[in-house]
Amino acid sequence: GQQVMQIPQYQHVQEGEDFTTYCNSSTTLSNIQWYKQRPGGHPVFLIQLVKSGEVKKQKRLTFQFGEAKKNSSLHITATQTTDVGTYFCAGSNNAGNMLTFGGGTRLMVKP
Amino acid sequence: GAGVSQSPSNKVTEKGKDVELRCDPISGHTALYWYRQSLGQGLEFLIYFQGNSAPDKSGLPSDRFSAERTGGSVSTLTIQRTQQEDSAVYLCASSLLPRGSNQPQHFGDGTRLSIL
Repeated sequence: GQQVMQIPQYQHVQEGEDFTTYCNSSTTLSNIQWYKQRPGGHPVFLIQLVKSGEVKKQKRLTFQFGEAKKNSSLHITATQTTDVGTYFCAGSNNAGNMLTFGGGTRLMVKP
Repeated sequence: GAGVSQSPSNKVTEKGKDVELRCDPISGHTALYWYRQSLGQGLEFLIYFQGNSAPDKSGLPSDRFSAERTGGSVSTLTIQRTQQEDSAVYLCASSLLPRGSNQPQHFGDGTRLSIL
């Protein structure tokens, strides 16, 4: 079945440093979604990428979808303590009948 | 309500007891999902409901787990004869349109289940 893997599993950064999490799928995806889960909270939808090679930005966050639509990345520039949480990617296969979540990357930011 | 509502927020029970978890999705959302999240882990898909169609139960880990959705709205997840490995946060999510339509999922706050 479809597998979605994320690396790294954990990341500690100093406030102000950049951060990147990578998402890789075993199969070609029709689209990819990104979610953020604050400690003790629930996942909250951030963004969706659909097109091959697509790049979207939300303030300090940059999301990319690979040309082959099998990988994606989330990059945060100049992290802040408010960025703390676990970032999940979730991909749909081409049949669109299953959204598979990656294991998440837990970001910790030291002030 | 404005968001997905789940109850109870916390449930502590003894091994072997049955538990029932409730999810009230966003009004008008046709798709409803249940996930399980163990401490520090990712989201494990359990079951998916879409309208009046037969649910996708492919993620249920054992026959002790069952779920229903009445009237296309509220859903209950039942775990019979609970085991300690069932301890986790159970998250419910809903979306406006069926999966495959590229809709974001809106999550509830979850039920934290602890089996003693």
